[in-house]
Formats: sequence, structure tokens, C-alpha cells
Amino acid sequence: DTGVSQDPRHKITKRGQNVTFRCDPISEHNRLYWYRQTLGQGPEFLTYFQNEAQLEKSRLLSDRFSAERPKGSFSTLEIQRTEQGDSAMYLCASSLVIDEQFFGPGTRLTVL
Amino acid sequence: GIQVEQSPPDLILQEGANSTLRCNFSDSVNNLQWFHQNPWGQLINLFYIPSGTKQNGRLSATTVATERYSLLYISSSQTTDSGVYFCAVGGFQKLVFGTGTRLLVSP
Repeated sequence: DTGVSQDPRHKITKRGQNVTFRCDPISEHNRLYWYRQTLGQGPEFLTYFQNEAQLEKSRLLSDRFSAERPKGSFSTLEIQRTEQGDSAMYLCASSLVIDEQFFGPGTRLTVL
Repeated sequence: GIQVEQSPPDLILQEGANSTLRCNFSDSVNNLQWFHQNPWGQLINLFYIPSGTKQNGRLSATTVATERYSLLYISSSQTTDSGVYFCAVGGFQKLVFGTGTRLLVSP
């Protein structure tokens, strides 16, 4: 049984570039969540999907951010026109409905 | 929204000591989880405990939902217990995390 996987694990980009991250949830899990963690803080919720439907988005998710889960399996998180303030760890989690969330290893983004 | 407070913010122990970490939350919840974040940033599930008491080896946790707090007990601490411990609470959707307790266990 494989856990949640994320790719890439690290990404360094220049300000203004677009980046895309991928998350593969635990296979039978129908919920998938994205969180962001900055240094010294706990993770903060960004958005979540149940199957392919995006059911909630945080106000942290500006217009430059978009997330998809096209077939209810893997998900992508894209950040357009990156800013230095976007530098953070981006964490993906998955769960069954009404159940424990399991997290992936995260993608650490550095915007220069 | 719901508020989560963890205490203490920092804790330094000698190997072999016991400790108690506390999590207070401001509203009723359906989900409460304890995590250990390792130095590489991976969140490791410790307990899924919206109410009651659970034990797993040297770790145990108790949640008193009616009084809106949870406790994580670490007994006979080891250097590998070092890291940040997070409490996270929520309904049936997103989790709200506290700011964590940073634990350092010295040999």
C-alpha cells in the first residue's frame, strides 16, 4: 500500500514564472486536500476535492492559483506569475469521506 | 473560524523523560489528529482521536471533546522523538492546525 506521493519534492523558480505540482493520493481515497506551510507555522488549508469536484477554496487561494483533479484521481496545483511570498512547503493529503487525513512528503517551493 | 492553541511552544527534555503536550480548541469538532513533523517536513500520523483515549507504544492521547482539549503523552522519550508536534482539528472537511510544539530530546 503506497502512501500519498508528490512531485517534484523541490522546485526553485524565478519570480514571474509558472509552476505546477502534482499529487497522487492513496488509491481508494476520494478526498484530496492541498495545504501550504510557511516557516515556523502550521499548515494552512488551501482547497479540497471530493472525487473530481472542488468543494471549498480558502481565501488564501488567490487568482494566480488553480487546482484540478480531472478524473478524481491525481491532482495538480498551478501557481501563475510566482511571487517571493509564494515560497513555502505545499502539502497534499487524502482521506476517505469523514476520516483521517494522510499527508504526502510535500513540495518545497523557493521563488527567487 | 475555529482557533487551535498548543502548549508549550517549545520543550527540551533529557532522554528517558516523560512529557505532556496540550491542544485547546475553540469549537466542537468531528476530527482531531496529532502529527509529528520530521526534519524533512513529512507529517506523520500519530493519532486520529476526536474523542476518548488511545495508546500506541510509548505514546498515548486523550481528547475531552466536551471541554475542547486534547493531550498527547510521550513516555520514556528518545532522541528520535525530536521534531514538531501538531494538533489539527476540523469538521468533516479541512483541518485547522495549531502552531505546534517543538520538542528537542537530548541524549
